[in-house]
Amino acid sequence: AQTVTQSQPEMSVQEAETVTLSCTYDTSESDYYLFWYKQPPSRQMILVIRQEAYKQQNATENRFSVNFQKAAKSFSLKISDSQLGDAAMYFCAYRSPNTGNQFYFGTGTSLTVIP
Amino acid sequence: KAGVTQTPRYLIKTRGQQVTLSCSPISGHRSVSWYQQTPGQGLQFLFEYFSETQRNKGNFPGRFSGRQFSNSRSEMNVSTLELGDSALYLCASSLGTGPFEAFFGQGTRLTVV
Repeated sequence: AQTVTQSQPEMSVQEAETVTLSCTYDTSESDYYLFWYKQPPSRQMILVIRQEAYKQQNATENRFSVNFQKAAKSFSLKISDSQLGDAAMYFCAYRSPNTGNQFYFGTGTSLTVIP
Repeated sequence: KAGVTQTPRYLIKTRGQQVTLSCSPISGHRSVSWYQQTPGQGLQFLFEYFSETQRNKGNFPGRFSGRQFSNSRSEMNVSTLELGDSALYLCASSLGTGPFEAFFGQGTRLTVV
């Protein structure tokens, strides 16, 4: 079964600084997608960034970027110029069309942004 | 474009009762998935419906069931509620094919007493 591991239950960062959240996954599939979702106190999961496994180039969305290491099965999220609104729980997620298209989520990392 | 709407937002039920949760997906989305979120187990997949058919199912007992209507709206039903069913239930809407992302609703917080 696919597993997604987030080894950092909590992280903190100073406002305007950079922070990296870690994620590793285990799969035997070659076709899959990886995601980072953010869940603020409002509870709504919001997509932060997405990466297709067949793409070698790391995805970037404004202040958010990933470091995708396919061979190492690693998918970390870097948040640059952290803002107070970035404070939330961040979930790494995996999905593959060969395993039912369901999302497999990590246990989450709670990010605190210090003013 | 309206987002994913889940109703109700909060529910309190007694053990043994049954409950029905509703999810209206984004217009044009044919796939609706349900997830249970608890502090102990995290986010766990319940099932996915695509064009009114259950396409995939997670490892939950038969007390958890669902359905999808022709307008893609979905309902999830839990019968004979147990204390352990207390959780945030999230609905995710997507196109259902290709490298899709899922759009989530704000969830229904179910408390079983």
